[in-house]
This record gives sequence, C-alpha cells and structure tokens, in this order.
Amino acid sequence: ETGVTQSPTHLIKTRGQQVTLRCSSQSGHNTVSWYQQALGQGPQFIFQYYREEENGRGNFPPRFSGLQFPNYSSELNVNALELDDSALYLCASSVGGRTSYEQYFGPGTRLTVT
Amino acid sequence: AQTVTQSQPEMSVQEAETVTLSCTYDTSESNYYLFWYKQPPSRQMILVIRQEAYKQQNATENRFSVNFQKAAKSFSLKISDSQLGDTAMYFCAFTPSSSYKLIFGSGTRLLVRP
Repeated sequence: ETGVTQSPTHLIKTRGQQVTLRCSSQSGHNTVSWYQQALGQGPQFIFQYYREEENGRGNFPPRFSGLQFPNYSSELNVNALELDDSALYLCASSVGGRTSYEQYFGPGTRLTVT
Repeated sequence: AQTVTQSQPEMSVQEAETVTLSCTYDTSESNYYLFWYKQPPSRQMILVIRQEAYKQQNATENRFSVNFQKAAKSFSLKISDSQLGDTAMYFCAFTPSSSYKLIFGSGTRLLVRP
C-alpha cells in the first residue's frame, strides 16, 4: 500500500507567477483535501475534491483552484502568486468525502514566493 | 465560528516523564470528532489519536491518551513515558460529523529532553 506523495518537495517562484502542485492519493482513497500551513501556524483548509468534483472550499480566493483526476490524484493551482502564499502546502487523502475518519497526509510542498 | 485553541506554544519534558498538552474548541455542533496530529521535522502529519464526541470513554493509543471533557469543550493529550521520537509539533483538530474539513489549532511544539 503506497502512501500519499506530493511533488515537488520545494519550489521557489516570483510574485505574479503561477504554480501547480501535485498530490497522489493513498491507494483506495477517493477524496483529496488541500491545506495551507504558514510558518508557525496550523494548517488552513483550502478545498476538497471528492470523485473529481469540488466538495467544499475554505476562505481562499478564486486564484486557488484544483483538479482531481480519474485515478484520484490531484493538482493545486495558484495564479498571480503573492508573497503571503509562501507556505507549506499539504494534501491529505481519505474516503467518502468526509473527514470523520483518518486523513492521510503527504509530506507537503514548501513554496517560497519572492 | 468553530475554532480550536492551543494555549501552549511550547512544552518541554524529560525523557520517560509524562506531559499533557491542552486544547479547547468552540462549536455549537452536537456530533463531531476530535484529533491529535503529530508533525515531526519531516513535516508529514501523523494521526496520534481520535475521539468521537458521542463516546464518553476517553480514547487511548498505547502511550497516548486523551482527557475529553465535552461540557468544558476541552480535549487534552497525555503522553506517558515520553520518548525522544515524540519531539514534534502537535496539532489539535476538530471536524463536525458531516463536514469535509479539519479545523486545526495553532500547535504546540514539544521537546523531549534526554
């Protein structure tokens, strides 16, 4: 059973650029959630995809968007990067579109915006 | 608004001793779930323990146990026989039973001293 993987590990972008982060779900999981973790803070929910549809969204602007593919892997896209977007981005996979049970987290992508 | 508060930014404990991390939450929901996650320097969030609000019995997982006080909206984590590998950030998290997202606290950094 493979765990949740994310790529890339680290990324440096310039303000105004666009970035795509990738996440592969744990085998058998059909739900992917994305979180933003600023330095020294707890993760903040961005959105969740369940069976390729957005299932819920946190308080993030539309320039944060996502996709989920038939194999349940997922992408997080951020347009018009701002300095405050610098953070650790975590994805978590689970089943059933709900968070009642365990979510399995990936190791994260560290994004730095300069 | 649903919030999770961790009032101890940092804690320190001697190896083999016991330490308790505090967490309080605010919600009007009657059915929900509470979690403690561990985030070591490797960044990957790992579930430590999970508690269902409708269960009065406190959850335990080996050296980890919780003190769940529903009326007080308190959910503390006790780590017994602390080990060096317990050194990490610990996050308390909450989700209503029908929700799609986890709400995290700001975390407590735990250092286990040899």
